[in-house]
Amino acid sequence: DTAVSQTPKYLVTQMGNDKSIKCEQNLGHDTMYWYKQDSKKFLKIMFSYNNKELIINETVPNRFSPKSPDKAHLNLHINSLELGDSAVYFCASSLTSGRNTGELFFGEGSRLTVL
Amino acid sequence: DAKTTQPTSMDCAEGRAANLPCNHSTISGNEYVYWYRQIHSQGPQYIIHGLKNNETNEMASLIITEDRKSSTLILPHATLRDTAVYYCIVRAGGSNYKLTFGKGTLLTVNP
Repeated sequence: DTAVSQTPKYLVTQMGNDKSIKCEQNLGHDTMYWYKQDSKKFLKIMFSYNNKELIINETVPNRFSPKSPDKAHLNLHINSLELGDSAVYFCASSLTSGRNTGELFFGEGSRLTVL
Repeated sequence: DAKTTQPTSMDCAEGRAANLPCNHSTISGNEYVYWYRQIHSQGPQYIIHGLKNNETNEMASLIITEDRKSSTLILPHATLRDTAVYYCIVRAGGSNYKLTFGKGTLLTVNP
């Protein structure tokens, strides 16, 4: 069973479109994340949710809107896609309640290409 | 979180130990050292972490100097599948949910 799964794995779309990437974890974790890895391979955190509450919101355009319907899911919706949004988006999860851990479990990534 | 410095790239022969260094001279007392790796086209994978004692698990060993200003990740018997970018990350403990990745070291294991 895949611990952190993202869909779709590949997404090719036109500028100006709206798209969503979904993430689910079956590890029983309470915290989920979205990271972006650009063409230069830098991994940058975008958002983090703990128990469905937004706790990290880095300097990300408000075209990006995360939604966490429950602890096991964190979706990323992107409005009005731009060329610069092309990247690989990684979802991750961790168990932080009552523990001090930086052990994140990452999904396999969703490669978004904006044409 | 403190900044880390790693070599851009390293080579290692298959079957030999790979020793990956990391400098974190501004580390503070409550900051942990974490190591992750990213194999090409895959998501990052947690390897190991430590505070001040040396740590070992099934994947690797982590050696932290006594002054905690540097550390070394050791893969005891590198295989071709260990070719990846290795990230050394310093992160404060407690309710700190942020893990900041740097550029990492590209380790190439050669046959």
